[in-house]
Amino acid sequence: EPEVTQTPSHQVTQMGQEVILRCVPISNHLYFYWYRQILGQKVEFLVSFYNNEISEKSEIFDDQFSVERPDGSNFTLKIRSTKLEDSAMYFCASCLGYEQYFGPGTRLTVT
Amino acid sequence: GIQVEQSPPDLILQEGANSTLRCNFSDSVNNLQWFHQNPWGQLINLFYIPSGTKQNGRLSATTVATERYSLLYISSSQTTDSGVYFCAFEYGGATNKLIFGTGTLLAVQP
Repeated sequence: EPEVTQTPSHQVTQMGQEVILRCVPISNHLYFYWYRQILGQKVEFLVSFYNNEISEKSEIFDDQFSVERPDGSNFTLKIRSTKLEDSAMYFCASCLGYEQYFGPGTRLTVT
Repeated sequence: GIQVEQSPPDLILQEGANSTLRCNFSDSVNNLQWFHQNPWGQLINLFYIPSGTKQNGRLSATTVATERYSLLYISSSQTTDSGVYFCAFEYGGATNKLIFGTGTLLAVQP
C-alpha cells in the first residue's frame, strides 16, 4: 500500500541553524501539507501546497519557513533559522481529493 | 471559529474491554477523519468518515453530520491500542486544512 515517507525521523539542531525536513508524498496525490505538534499538544496546520504553490498558510508559517517541491516526488519544509520553540514533531501529509494521509513524522529538537 | 471537543480526555481500560470515543463539533464540517497516534508519535489513519458508519476489524466509526458528532468504537481492546485518538476535519469551504481535536489519551492495561 502506498504511504507517505519522511526523513529524517529525528533531527537535533542548534538554535539559529537551518534545517530541511523531507517528505515523499504518495505518488498520484495532488495536495501536500505540513503540520506540526508541539509535545503534549494537538496537531496544528502549517501550510498547504497545490499546483506548485502555497494555497494556504497559518499564522505559525512566518518568513522563517518555506516549502518546496523540487522535483516530482519530494516535498520539503525549510526552517531558515531555528528557534527553541520550533522543537516539535513535523508531519507531512498528502491527499488526492478528500482523505489526507500522514507520514510518520520528523521529531525536531532545537538545543 | 469552530469548537471541537473530544471525550473522554483520558481513558484507562483493561485488555478486552470495549470503549466509545466521541468527537463533538459546533458547526458543519467536511471530510472527518479519525487518527491513532501511537506511543512513538506516528499518526495512523483509521477512518475517513464524513458520514455514515464504517468498520475495520475491531474498530468502527460513525459520523452523524446533522447532529455534529462522530464516534469511534474500539472492541476487545488490546495493549497495542494505547495512544492518543484524534478526530480531525475540514471546516469552511475555501480551505482543505485539517483541524484536529484535542484527543483522547487511551491506556490499555494487560
